[in-house]
Amino acid sequence: DAKTTQPNSMESNEEEPVHLPCNHSTISGTDYIHWYRQLPSQGPEYVIHGLTSNVNNRMASLAIAEDRKSSTLILHRATLRDAAVYYCILRDRLDYGGSQGNLIFGKGTKLSVKP
Amino acid sequence: EAGVAQSPRYKIIEKRQSVAFWCNPISGHATLYWYQQILGQGPKLLIQFQNNGVVDDSQLPKDRFSAERLKGVDSTLKIQPAKLEDSAVYLCASSLAAATNEKLFFGSGTQLSVL
Repeated sequence: DAKTTQPNSMESNEEEPVHLPCNHSTISGTDYIHWYRQLPSQGPEYVIHGLTSNVNNRMASLAIAEDRKSSTLILHRATLRDAAVYYCILRDRLDYGGSQGNLIFGKGTKLSVKP
Repeated sequence: EAGVAQSPRYKIIEKRQSVAFWCNPISGHATLYWYQQILGQGPKLLIQFQNNGVVDDSQLPKDRFSAERLKGVDSTLKIQPAKLEDSAVYLCASSLAAATNEKLFFGSGTQLSVL
């Protein structure tokens, strides 16, 4: 799987937007971009994923660069409950090997939210 | 909808002892994963099941770790004998299928301390 690069940590103020960057310069044309987050003492949870176009859901928005070498997860109004480690992961949609579906996690970005 | 259930929540053992973790995935989910998360790192896949068959166990230390998923539903992960470096959170996850576009749903994990 292609690698991603994320900042180790970021800080945000409550009720302000947060932009979490992810670089994936070696992304292939068939890689999906997935985001998961892990709140303290919990397992990771799915946030959003996309291929080429920007995506929105109730949790966040995903902005994908035109060349797909980077993406940004956008939390529109950060709350204290959004403090977590955010993981950006690439998954090849044509992966027919024995490891279909599994996620390979990096260290992610630890987001702190200040009141 | 009930989530992925794991037990116990915490376990403390001495090195060279045995330990077992249990996971009940979301009903109807064919794919089940066990991940190991060492403090400060992202989760690392240990084993992936599709129904009751093993899809990927390349990262499982087979000299001491074993896992089974009888009847394609519940799963157990065993460590025998445990080492100090096995101290970690063991996460179980499930997905509807093994496709790379499927969301994974994680349990809260079992925190293992080996003394």
